[in-house]
Amino acid sequence: SQQGEEDPQALSIQEGENATMNCSYKTSINNLQWYRQNSGRGLVHLILIRSNEREKHSGRLRVTLDTSKKSSSLLITASRAADTASYFCATSLTGTASKLTFGTGTRLQVTL
Amino acid sequence: DTGVSQNPRHKITKRGQNVTFRCDPISEHNRLYWYRQTLGQGPEFLTYFQNEAQLEKSRLLSDRFSAERPKGSFSTLEIQRTEQGDSAMYLCASRSDGPYSPLHFGNGTRLTVT
Repeated sequence: SQQGEEDPQALSIQEGENATMNCSYKTSINNLQWYRQNSGRGLVHLILIRSNEREKHSGRLRVTLDTSKKSSSLLITASRAADTASYFCATSLTGTASKLTFGTGTRLQVTL
Repeated sequence: DTGVSQNPRHKITKRGQNVTFRCDPISEHNRLYWYRQTLGQGPEFLTYFQNEAQLEKSRLLSDRFSAERPKGSFSTLEIQRTEQGDSAMYLCASRSDGPYSPLHFGNGTRLTVT
């Protein structure tokens, strides 16, 4: 079963614009991670935020975490056509730090 | 950087046949995971190994599915008596110890059951 749900399911923007994706989850977590998947390929890790962190940056990526609302957001600034992919949030539950449970994903399309 | 390697990339089989997939993780990673992904969905957890020990198995994994990781290196996932509902992408991932180490995925094996 999916622990998280991403919103929106699909997002289409023009190059240079910012893209924001949201993730909601159901139970207490140890950490939350974001992954990217290009069509027909495996997932690539982007960024991890621990449950005691509220915001984290990596290059053009900014992730926030609100544990009281059980939600996270991923912001990609100044998007590029190469950012076109599906983006998934994944949670590691408190007490079971061994596996990740993935959400349903946001399909991002960046057009020129 | 050898990364996680999965073979074959594609497998087409007839219903009722058995199939086996192989995963070679990053060599220094002792944790190995199998996930299944269907079109438009996120990966669903199937099973997890720490070294050669299979520590967790999803209820999604019916008796027709078995996974092994002999000697704690490569892993195999076998599906017996395949059904059309088994058609999916099977993803393998590995990671090092520690609760904050990320997963490294292979490019998956796409199974089509006709």
